[in-house]
Amino acid sequence: ELILTQSPVTLSLSPGGRATLSCRASQRVTDNYLAWYQQKPGQAPRLLISAASIRATGIPDRFTASGSGTDFTLTISRLEPEDSALYYCHQYGTSPPFAFGGGTKVEIK
Amino acid sequence: VRLVESGGGLVQPGGSLRLTCTASGFNFNVFAMAWVRQAPGRGLEWVSSLGDPATQMHYADSVRGRFTVSRDNSRNTLSLQMDSLKVEDTAIYYCAKDMVAFNGVFDAFDVWGHGTMVTVSA
Repeated sequence: ELILTQSPVTLSLSPGGRATLSCRASQRVTDNYLAWYQQKPGQAPRLLISAASIRATGIPDRFTASGSGTDFTLTISRLEPEDSALYYCHQYGTSPPFAFGGGTKVEIK
Repeated sequence: VRLVESGGGLVQPGGSLRLTCTASGFNFNVFAMAWVRQAPGRGLEWVSSLGDPATQMHYADSVRGRFTVSRDNSRNTLSLQMDSLKVEDTAIYYCAKDMVAFNGVFDAFDVWGHGTMVTVSA
């Protein structure tokens, strides 16, 4: 069973800065079937990235992602207060369970 | 494109509940659908995915044998029958749509409902 481990658990940064979030898989993610989601309090998650690096419709280019195999990264540049949220990685594809990582909380102060 | 969950509520341990997700604004027939839950103050947990035809279904180990996912393409609805409920099933249950039309591969979730709360307590 594939397990996704996200780090750090919490990230506190200033507006205008850059956030680097990590997602590490316990085994290779097939065909880079790896997504990233943003969730704000009281809201449903929102898809940011699919296929490890492809931004979803309407997602600003401040959000970039990369990685393959077992190591994946989400980078948020030019941080804005509205980027404060929880961020989750998610493995999908052909090999269930389609696990989520434990999440990274990004705080912009 | 919209997903609306219903059917949540308070149920005693060992009881049953049926959740429904009503879809609109897209061709429901051709997309796989999923249930994802989130316990209070916790992270996201994938529960189940259902492809089309509805012969491709998968469950998390934590719910397999107790939960049953189904779909009615004529009514654009996805359902989750939850039996033998446990306190640890307490969560917001989200319905989610795969981003790409189902071709044997389950995809990322591009549309989510607002969720329905399930509370399992004596």
